Amino acid sequence: DQQVKQNSPSLSVQEGRISILNCDYTNSMFDYFLWYKKYPAEGPTFLISISSIKDKNEDGRFTVFLNKSAKHLSLHIVPSQPGDSAVYFCAASAKGGGSNYKLTFGKGTLLTVNP
Amino acid sequence: NAGVMQNPRHLVRRRGQEARLRCSPMKGHSHVYWYRQLPEEGLKFMVYLQKENIIDESGMPKERFSAEFPKEGPSILRIQQVVRGDSAAYFCASSPPSGTSYEQYFGPGTRLTVT
Repeated sequence: DQQVKQNSPSLSVQEGRISILNCDYTNSMFDYFLWYKKYPAEGPTFLISISSIKDKNEDGRFTVFLNKSAKHLSLHIVPSQPGDSAVYFCAASAKGGGSNYKLTFGKGTLLTVNP
Repeated sequence: NAGVMQNPRHLVRRRGQEARLRCSPMKGHSHVYWYRQLPEEGLKFMVYLQKENIIDESGMPKERFSAEFPKEGPSILRIQQVVRGDSAAYFCASSPPSGTSYEQYFGPGTRLTVT
């Protein structure tokens, strides 16, 4: 039962353009969402997060949008740079359920930014 | 300011042997989490520990797997009598005390190969 879904296994964009990575979730109890970036042979690196009380959070080139009614979030990277090439994981947790520590991850999207 | 440290980075074990994976959290972090990533999958929560306490082990297989976080020293994930299906990347994460941050910071992982 995949509660966090990243339906695009891969995405390829040109340097300087916008990258949009998508994530859908099914568990209505999720109220905190995170994006992690992972290079090969390294651990995931925290990028940006958003609470369910917001619909947008921005940090430099990275913006996360949350649509609660659609149970959908997206990560926008603009402008994309070759160093952004990595696997991006969407993760969610349920603060209110007493187990906010338990992150549920999607399978990841491999982003390739071409020079 | 050292991040989360894991060792060994690579571990090869024959079927039936024991595997011990170590994790030292970031300075100031008192919460430790273990996740497993099978090939082509996202990270799956295994266990959450605080010093000398297992808080949630709902993601741990019922047999052969155990975890501890002693008062002194690193957290240990122990897998007894390993089987080929245990081959995976095992990631440890840490976070500050509750209420200060929901983000978890990951180590580089231990890649376990069972031959």
